[in-house]
Amino acid sequence: QVQLVESGGGVVQPGRSLRLSCAASRFTFSTYAMHWVRQAPGKGLEWVAVISYDGSTKYYADSVKGRFTISRDNSKNTLYLQLNTLRAEDTAVYYCARDHQEYSRTYFFDYWGQGTLVTVSS
Amino acid sequence: DIQMTQSPSTLSASVGDRVTITCRASQSISSCLAWYQQKPGKAPKLLIYKASSLESGVPSRFSGSGSGTEFTLTISNLQPDDFATYYCQQCNTLGTFGQGTKLEIK
Repeated sequence: QVQLVESGGGVVQPGRSLRLSCAASRFTFSTYAMHWVRQAPGKGLEWVAVISYDGSTKYYADSVKGRFTISRDNSKNTLYLQLNTLRAEDTAVYYCARDHQEYSRTYFFDYWGQGTLVTVSS
Repeated sequence: DIQMTQSPSTLSASVGDRVTITCRASQSISSCLAWYQQKPGKAPKLLIYKASSLESGVPSRFSGSGSGTEFTLTISNLQPDDFATYYCQQCNTLGTFGQGTKLEIK
């Protein structure tokens, strides 16, 4: 069964940085685009970023563009999200999710991690 | 930006009922729509993709329809495990979600 395990969350002060990781296993990581989706406490889901299977293409939500960077290391089966200049409104559970189709970006998410909580507070 | 609006925000129903949740897009998204189920403290689960395709392993009592700007998720013969929050999501331009519909036990 596909497994995605996020890590790196925690409490951070406004303006500081954090890097999230998502370790993937039990599927061929290098053939799937990967996404980050977040959910503020008690709120709905917000798509954050996508990276193509080979890392060559990246897109971001307007709310994080210029502050967050998505990347991947296919040799380590790991997805990353660098969060810079954090704001209170970035407080959320961050999920990594696999795209539904190999070698494509469908923006359908068929497997999700359990999430990692980022709290931005002074 | 494409906005997704779900209705109702909350829905009360009983086991065995048939319920319908509606999702409207602010512009045409063809059939580029998915539905997810989320339970408290858990990650979302993909139910329907491409508006009407049932994800593998999802019970057939879940069905989706629509195209363009209006879409529906129908759950027939509600089971106790179905009480959860449901989200629609468009894939036409990046990946905007609706605000969610909480399905409660009446």
